[in-house]
Amino acid sequence: DQQVKQNSPSLSVQEGRISILNCDYTNSMFDYFLWYKKYPAEGPTFLISISSIKDKNEDGRFTVFLNKSAKHLSLHIVPSQPGDSAVYFCAASGSQGNLIFGKGTKLSVKP
Amino acid sequence: GAVVSQHPSWVICKSGTSVKIECRSLDFQATTMFWYRQFPKQSLMLMATSNEGSKATYEQGVEKDKFLINHASLTLSTLTVTSAHPEDSSFYICSAIGTENYGYTFGSGTRLTVV
Repeated sequence: DQQVKQNSPSLSVQEGRISILNCDYTNSMFDYFLWYKKYPAEGPTFLISISSIKDKNEDGRFTVFLNKSAKHLSLHIVPSQPGDSAVYFCAASGSQGNLIFGKGTKLSVKP
Repeated sequence: GAVVSQHPSWVICKSGTSVKIECRSLDFQATTMFWYRQFPKQSLMLMATSNEGSKATYEQGVEKDKFLINHASLTLSTLTVTSAHPEDSSFYICSAIGTENYGYTFGSGTRLTVV
């Protein structure tokens, strides 16, 4: 069964508005969560992460929120820009440092 | 649906030996398989892209004779690290896309340690 789930395969947002990408996980032992961004024909690039001891981490336009009780995290992009259009992957780090990925959400930011 | 099974999850081998890593798509046909290597600070480097029945396309700087990729069927792709050295120690992960719109499905990764 999937341990990391991104239930929305796609999301379309107007430029300047907020993009909210969601991710749910099932394993309460996960202690580190990451978001990756992937452009076509490229590998995923690391975007932002959060430790389980925090509930929020902010880096410029990107903020990740973690709700441990709900086993849910989200990535907020404000304001969204057309260059943000990509596939975003949520990942959780297991006990051995391995990464467990969701299936991704394709974000389209329209001018 | 859309599960990619990657084995082994971890392996320790002696320097100079070869190691094979398998990725199998369990419930879909993987037309394209991507192989990544994880570096510190969570960066993932795309090593190669393989389409079923074709030779893999390697990214610049990746030695194709050292990292042999085979994608002989729609459900199996393998990465063989030949003559492994300690610097090849890393975490390797595959992802696949198929004919159905499942998006990218990642394997669970393989931790390779070369001693």
